[in-house]
Amino acid sequence: QSVLTQPPSASGTPGQGVTISCSGSSSNIGSNYVSWYQQLPGTAPKLLIYANDQRPSGVPERISGSKSGTSASLAISGLRSEDEADYYCGTWDDSLSALVFGGGTKLTVL
Amino acid sequence: QVQLQQSGPGLVRPSQTLSLTCVISGDSVSSNSVSWNWVRQSPSRGLEWLGRTYYRSKWYANYALSVRSRIAINPDTSKNQFSLQLNSVTPEDTAVYYCARVSMSVPRALNYWGQGTLVTVSS
Repeated sequence: QSVLTQPPSASGTPGQGVTISCSGSSSNIGSNYVSWYQQLPGTAPKLLIYANDQRPSGVPERISGSKSGTSASLAISGLRSEDEADYYCGTWDDSLSALVFGGGTKLTVL
Repeated sequence: QVQLQQSGPGLVRPSQTLSLTCVISGDSVSSNSVSWNWVRQSPSRGLEWLGRTYYRSKWYANYALSVRSRIAINPDTSKNQFSLQLNSVTPEDTAVYYCARVSMSVPRALNYWGQGTLVTVSS
């Protein structure tokens, strides 16, 4: 049972946009930065978004993040086949004194 | 460019100690602005942060509650690396283990990861 809640799956067609949600509480998302990771099969997670809405260099502008209260979202526009992957949200939890993650969302590009 | 290279056995017997090492290139284990973390991933537990070590004039370590009684994460400044030791393992500790870095410039986010090591706990 993950501390952060994500939908298990999401889908879209090439060129469309998709949004993945991440729900938490006041002790984690409500009071800390949120990050997002993309994981392709057989590889380590890759950082896509940090500090709620910041992109590391090399991450395209069609990928964006936002946070409101105790929830966060990852938006991907102009879907491509290579976006098909698992996506995870993460943040620090003040009560647990630990980094915590969502259970992951499998994105399918139809 | 920071790179993290993991090494360690892929098979550990139940009740024994799991030991993994993460060699750092492109950064220093003693840097004052980063922390060095271990994360594991399994189908049953998802992504699970295990703990971290970091240097701020002296060495610190923090651990997840779930493993606090049997984990140690230690730096080795002579080899610019850090290690994970998990004692008294059970089959529930079977997972892919990753080392990863958090930087103050990329707060609370794991921006560099090792390649991952599948560790199976089995007799």
